[in-house]
Amino acid sequence: SQQGEEDPQALSIQEGENATMNCSYKTSINNLQWYRQNSGRGLVHLILIRSNEREKHSGRLRVTLDTSKKSSSLLITASRAADTASYFCATALGRAQKLVFGQGTRLTINP
Amino acid sequence: EAQVTQNPRYLITVTGKKLTVTCSQNMNHEYMSWYRQDPGLGLRQIYYSMNVEVTDKGDVPEGYKVSRKEKRNFPLILESPSPNQTSLYFCASSFTKSYNEQFFGPGTRLTVL
Repeated sequence: SQQGEEDPQALSIQEGENATMNCSYKTSINNLQWYRQNSGRGLVHLILIRSNEREKHSGRLRVTLDTSKKSSSLLITASRAADTASYFCATALGRAQKLVFGQGTRLTINP
Repeated sequence: EAQVTQNPRYLITVTGKKLTVTCSQNMNHEYMSWYRQDPGLGLRQIYYSMNVEVTDKGDVPEGYKVSRKEKRNFPLILESPSPNQTSLYFCASSFTKSYNEQFFGPGTRLTVL
């Protein structure tokens, strides 16, 4: 498996429901970031959580990080049609000067 | 407006015809990088640059070249494109370190026939 794997690969929910996506990684990290990508467009940074943080909020987004389980989750509350996009986690590896992206979760919000 | 721009946005070319994809950022970022995105493979880093005249290989550098003569520009050069380089390419930049928040360009969809 890769560093930074999202689960599920695809998620379809009704507007107004909450959406939860998970990310697992393998090695120690400096931080973990979540990005959103609308179809065929550039990625947009959503939130960054450092390795010494456990939870972070930004508007309707809530990110948790469990370094003991090497996992993170992204919760989007009260989903809207505009949230339809692919969501990627990216892990900043401790020593390497790089950010490693997972393959993403494709989220569809049905009206 | 703070942004990363890429040109061209779409390009169809033929095998072996040299091409350059330009990338420019107006945020005075030190770190810039190139990624390619392919179905089932996610985003993979091609090259990155920590600062002017400092570049290094990412995970998939074969067939690509880069240069960083100015802080704001980081062009991606395909000397002899091949069909396996057909992909969606993204340029990204950030302050100082690679693991800061990345600002992405809009993407360049390249098709090599």
